[in-house]
Amino acid sequence: ILNVEQSPQSLHVQEGDSTNFTCSFPSSNFYALHWYRWETAKSPEALFVMTLNGDEKKKGRISATLNTKEGYSYLYIKGSQPEDSATYLCAFLIKAAGNKLTFGGGTRVLVKP
Amino acid sequence: DAGITQSPRHKVTETGTPVTLRCHQTENHRYMYWYRQDPGHGLRLIHYSYGVKDTDKGEVSDGYSVSRSKTEDFLLTLESATSSQTSVYFCAIAGTDRYEQYFGPGTRLTVT
Repeated sequence: ILNVEQSPQSLHVQEGDSTNFTCSFPSSNFYALHWYRWETAKSPEALFVMTLNGDEKKKGRISATLNTKEGYSYLYIKGSQPEDSATYLCAFLIKAAGNKLTFGGGTRVLVKP
Repeated sequence: DAGITQSPRHKVTETGTPVTLRCHQTENHRYMYWYRQDPGHGLRLIHYSYGVKDTDKGEVSDGYSVSRSKTEDFLLTLESATSSQTSVYFCAIAGTDRYEQYFGPGTRLTVT
């Protein structure tokens, strides 16, 4: 069983502040790392698919970096807004395993006005 | 939005009864997945499919079976439902480019 860890489990952020959190994953047999955003009472939605060491992806105020050699990825939210409140999931994909994703437990972000 | 639906959206059933959940896609994607969401566990993979009649187990497959007789439909069956199977079930689909997964709206199942 793969170990995909996210930390912290939850965090409270003041509106306008920036924040970041971590996903750690096995550094062997890497193919891709996914980030998903999951709002309460909705379904997870893909944010980023990252495949190359050193990858940086950006969507609006949210960005992510990837280090496959040491097995971690950071997700950053710049100038947090209440609508950024959600659980952010990372997921590790191994191509050899039928393209399954193993999800981390998520980081729950609450942005306070 | 990816064309993926789940039915039923809500179901209450009794312990010991069989239950089948349906996932339907209109995207012609090769890969389909069933997950369950539980507090403290995030999303856990139950079963997945990589083509018609091609399925395999995920990390929490005990008590569940699946079938995929057509590209567009992936069925999850609880042969004899137990209270521990009370959960929200999500279906997801993925293509063959980046394997990004698109999730259905979820099915809330309560086993009493």
